[in-house]
Amino acid sequence: LAKTTQPISMDSYEGQEVNITCSHNNIATNDYITWYQQFPSQGPRFIIQGYKTKVTNEVASLFIPADRKSSTLSLPRVSLSDTAVYYCLVGDATDYKLSFGAGTTVTVRA
Amino acid sequence: EPEVTQTPSHQVTQMGQEVILRCVPISNHLYFYWYRQILGQKVEFLVSFYNNEISEKSEIFDDQFSVERPDGSNFTLKIRSTKLEDSAMYFCASSAPGLAGDLEQFFGPGTRLTVL
Repeated sequence: LAKTTQPISMDSYEGQEVNITCSHNNIATNDYITWYQQFPSQGPRFIIQGYKTKVTNEVASLFIPADRKSSTLSLPRVSLSDTAVYYCLVGDATDYKLSFGAGTTVTVRA
Repeated sequence: EPEVTQTPSHQVTQMGQEVILRCVPISNHLYFYWYRQILGQKVEFLVSFYNNEISEKSEIFDDQFSVERPDGSNFTLKIRSTKLEDSAMYFCASSAPGLAGDLEQFFGPGTRLTVL
């Protein structure tokens, strides 16, 4: 499994854009990049997934450069309720288990 | 919106006792999982289950753990003889991989297990 590295924590303010970059230098050809969000005392929640270029949904955008060795999760105009831990995961879809790292704790302040 | 449910939300037990944690996955999902998260630590994979058998398990999932899908809706995790270090939040998840590379799993709210 490709190992991921992401910042331990990030602070932001309401209304700002938050960008979290994840490094995955050893990503394999069959691997996809997936981001999950976890609030305290709750289960992780899927945010977005991509293979290359850019993916956007109603919650976030995911930017993946051509070499796929990193990815950036972009949260537009965050609110206090976006305070959570964000996990970057890389894996082969045939290996259905998810391997979580420590994640990035994002704290949004008023 | 369909969701994964888990019961109980909190279970307190004495060391050495058996516990059964229950989950109802989303009805049309085919893959089921258990994860655990010790307080302040990362989410750890325990086991995946497909077609009525374990498809993969981690080193954590030793002989004291077992899983079962006793009927068409429930998915259970049994810990035979609990230890203090089993205290954690246990999450059930389910998925229905469709598109290529689909790694979306749906997690339940968790059961907090406290072993005294």
